[in-house]
Amino acid sequence: EADIYQTPRYLVIGTGKKITLECSQTMGHDKMYWYQQDPGMELHLIHYSYGVNSTEKGDLSSESTVSRIRTEHFPLTLESARPSHTSQYLCASSGSTGSNTEAFFGQGTRLTVV
Amino acid sequence: GESVGLHLPTLSVQEGDNSIINCAYSNSASDYFIWYKQESGKGPQFIIDIRSNMDKRQGQRVTVLLNKTVKHLSLQIAATQPGDSAVYFCAENMGNYGQNFVFGPGTRLSVLP
Repeated sequence: EADIYQTPRYLVIGTGKKITLECSQTMGHDKMYWYQQDPGMELHLIHYSYGVNSTEKGDLSSESTVSRIRTEHFPLTLESARPSHTSQYLCASSGSTGSNTEAFFGQGTRLTVV
Repeated sequence: GESVGLHLPTLSVQEGDNSIINCAYSNSASDYFIWYKQESGKGPQFIIDIRSNMDKRQGQRVTVLLNKTVKHLSLQIAATQPGDSAVYFCAENMGNYGQNFVFGPGTRLSVLP
């Protein structure tokens, strides 16, 4: 069982609300990632981080933002949620820079914006 | 939300048969590859990995084959069981300093009784 946690698991929220999806890992991994996945569809990278104070945009454009103030924590924020943001958001982490190991995934947050 | 990308291809196999799931990767510089299994409502879970200096690796009931010449990866599952029903993704990484894992589109495996 991977030590990476996402909260909440499910979230239903109204349009225009600000939300933060939490992701924490206790493995000391430098690299962390956020993926967006619609049901039955591919995984799309929206943000990643190499370490503290490092954040980069991924392959898929997203209106969300991320921060990496602590190694173990990589929250994702939507300033003003819209129905188009309805999706599953998966957080992952992988080994420190200089090593090459698999990415460990959290259970995901399924977001519904109404 | 608005869906992006492709709907997943589906592979249906009889329980007890062997399954072969294929994946084409994009970057000839990638030197580390992973297969993930994603069950409904869960995050992807690691199944098996392989480095580019190998062409075959075996695990428990699973075998990964790597053909670098044609940039092709396959996952073989022996004696497929109902619990193997899931979506399977391959991922490639460009070595120790690779930016991130690039995931393939995924294949939905459906095990028929």
